[in-house]
Amino acid sequence: GQNIDQPTEMTATEGAIVQINCTYQTSGFNGLFWYQQHAGEAPTFLSYNVLDGLEEKGRFSSFLSRSKGYSYLLLKELQMKDSASYLCAVYGNNLFFGTGTRLTVIP
Amino acid sequence: ETGVTQTPRHLVMGMTNKKSLKCEQHLGHNAMYWYKQSAKKPLELMFVYNFKEQTENNSVPSRFSPECPNSSHLFLHLHTLQPEDSALYLCASSQTGARTGELFFGEGSRLTVL
Repeated sequence: GQNIDQPTEMTATEGAIVQINCTYQTSGFNGLFWYQQHAGEAPTFLSYNVLDGLEEKGRFSSFLSRSKGYSYLLLKELQMKDSASYLCAVYGNNLFFGTGTRLTVIP
Repeated sequence: ETGVTQTPRHLVMGMTNKKSLKCEQHLGHNAMYWYKQSAKKPLELMFVYNFKEQTENNSVPSRFSPECPNSSHLFLHLHTLQPEDSALYLCASSQTGARTGELFFGEGSRLTVL
């Protein structure tokens, strides 16, 4: 079975840094993905981790620890447009998603 | 053209109606998916097709019937639905073997069952 946990909601201030955590228990592991979904829009790919460590892409970074079943998404220099839901997803034999973390960026 | 297009964007139907959702991808991918997104729930995988063959049916009720005539098109036929089937239905595609799991989603079809 699959179990993916992430906080339901977070609030952060424009210009700050926020870390969104994700823990997972899955049967099989072939990678962990983070997606961003703005309200009323399709989810879009943000990052992919298959090996332990940090992957950096501009203002966004994603970390993975396979032994701990843990990942986080780090967003730096927050902007108002970063207000969205962030979906953690684990690829076992197919891609399974967590419930998503709704991030609100305030001025 | 956008990568994955879904029609209709919004659909209202009664429990006795028959309707279909359509998805088309212009990315040359060989895998297509249907996901259901309900409020406060994770995206639920419904069906997966690889090279037009169904490779996953995630215990979906038979009132949802998928069809994949080719690698670019995917349908979801709906009949005798229940109000709890109201949700956003997302279609996605991917290239098998290329960082498998990186999905490209359509905008979704918002379904309301009365």
